[in-house]
Amino acid sequence: SQQGEEDPQALSIQEGENATMNCSYKTSINNLQWYRQNSGRGLVHLILIRSNEREKHSGRLRVTLDTSKKSSSLLITASRAADTASYFCATDAVDSGYSTLTFGKGTMLLVSP
Amino acid sequence: DGGITQSPKYLFRKEGQNVTLSCEQNLNHDAMYWYRQDPGQGLRLIYYSQIVNDFQKGDIAEGYSVSREKKESFPLTVTSAQKNPTAFYLCASSRSISYNEQFFGPGTRLTVL
Repeated sequence: SQQGEEDPQALSIQEGENATMNCSYKTSINNLQWYRQNSGRGLVHLILIRSNEREKHSGRLRVTLDTSKKSSSLLITASRAADTASYFCATDAVDSGYSTLTFGKGTMLLVSP
Repeated sequence: DGGITQSPKYLFRKEGQNVTLSCEQNLNHDAMYWYRQDPGQGLRLIYYSQIVNDFQKGDIAEGYSVSREKKESFPLTVTSAQKNPTAFYLCASSRSISYNEQFFGPGTRLTVL
């Protein structure tokens, strides 16, 4: 079963606005990662946050992690048309039989000029 | 340039035929992965390999086979036993199974006619 679930499934905003995507998961994790996928392409790693971290920044990206609520959020500030893509969270579960990532279904972000 | 290459980009096959998807990396990564992505869905793990000459089944291994004879290469064979093989296939690698920030190839879109 899917470990991470993103919300919303789709998000449409104007350039310059902020975009917030959420991810919920079910079991304890070692880390949570966010990836981006342009249509028909491979995924690109954006940011990794460890279970003992609460917030992390990278450029216009801000990720938060609340392990008590088993949730994470990805904030993209001052969005650009080039940010249009699908965004996936991926979790590395502590109690999985092997240390591999489990991906959610993604949030599709559309940024209009 | 370091990275992961997948070939071909598009692949068409008739029902009942086996087909092999290529994945090569020059990142000197130990771990490699194969995922399947269906429309509007997240990634599902097919097989992964922690090291040369070793691989393990993922969540949806039935109808697929892999080999890892060289560190750089992790080909995936989609056999005729796979009931619904039409999908987008993504290969990824990471420094190790525990250091799991993953780097993805561009993907192969397989269509069964």
